[in-house]
Amino acid sequence: GQNIDQPTEMTATEGAIVQINCTYQTSGFNGLFWYQQHAGEAPTFLSYNVLDGLEEKGRFSSFLSRSKGYSYLLLKELQMKDSASYLCAAFNFNKFYFGSGTKLNVKP
Amino acid sequence: SAVISQKPSRDICQRGTSLTIQCQVDSQVTMMFWYRQQPGQSLTLIATANQGSEATYESGFVIDKFPISRPNLTFSTLTVSNMSPEDSSIYLCSAGQGANTGELFFGEGSRLTVL
Repeated sequence: GQNIDQPTEMTATEGAIVQINCTYQTSGFNGLFWYQQHAGEAPTFLSYNVLDGLEEKGRFSSFLSRSKGYSYLLLKELQMKDSASYLCAAFNFNKFYFGSGTKLNVKP
Repeated sequence: SAVISQKPSRDICQRGTSLTIQCQVDSQVTMMFWYRQQPGQSLTLIATANQGSEATYESGFVIDKFPISRPNLTFSTLTVSNMSPEDSSIYLCSAGQGANTGELFFGEGSRLTVL
């Protein structure tokens, strides 16, 4: 089976750094992906990790530890527009399974 | 990248009827999936749409309720059959080329309300 866990909701201040964690237990594993979804819109791709370590893409970074079944998404220099849901997804056997999503509220 | 068009974008349906959602991708893709997203919830995988063969369904989803077609590498349909209010949800088509490309693209979704 697939079990992917994320915190339900987080709040952070504009300009700050926030880390959104994701733990997973899957029957197979080929990569961990992060998506952003604004209310009423389709998810959009942010970052992914296939191997252990940190991947950096501008203000967004993602980290993976396969031995621990753990990933995080790091958002730097938070902006109001970063208020959205952040979904982690495990890719295995040619399928993407999504976690429950973390709603991030960015406050002035 | 891939641009995915879904229609209808929204519909209001009567209990007991069926509705077919169409998904068109602007390029040939290896993988196509159908997801359901309840309000405020995350995405639940319904099935993988396989080109030229029967779809692969996840636990809790069956072909009689959610028949899927994929006649070629750019097009798929999902039918929600014999609808009930519990089927009210957003249905999302997604497509990608595989994990190595690092991206799964999504359509804008079809919001169904069943009365």
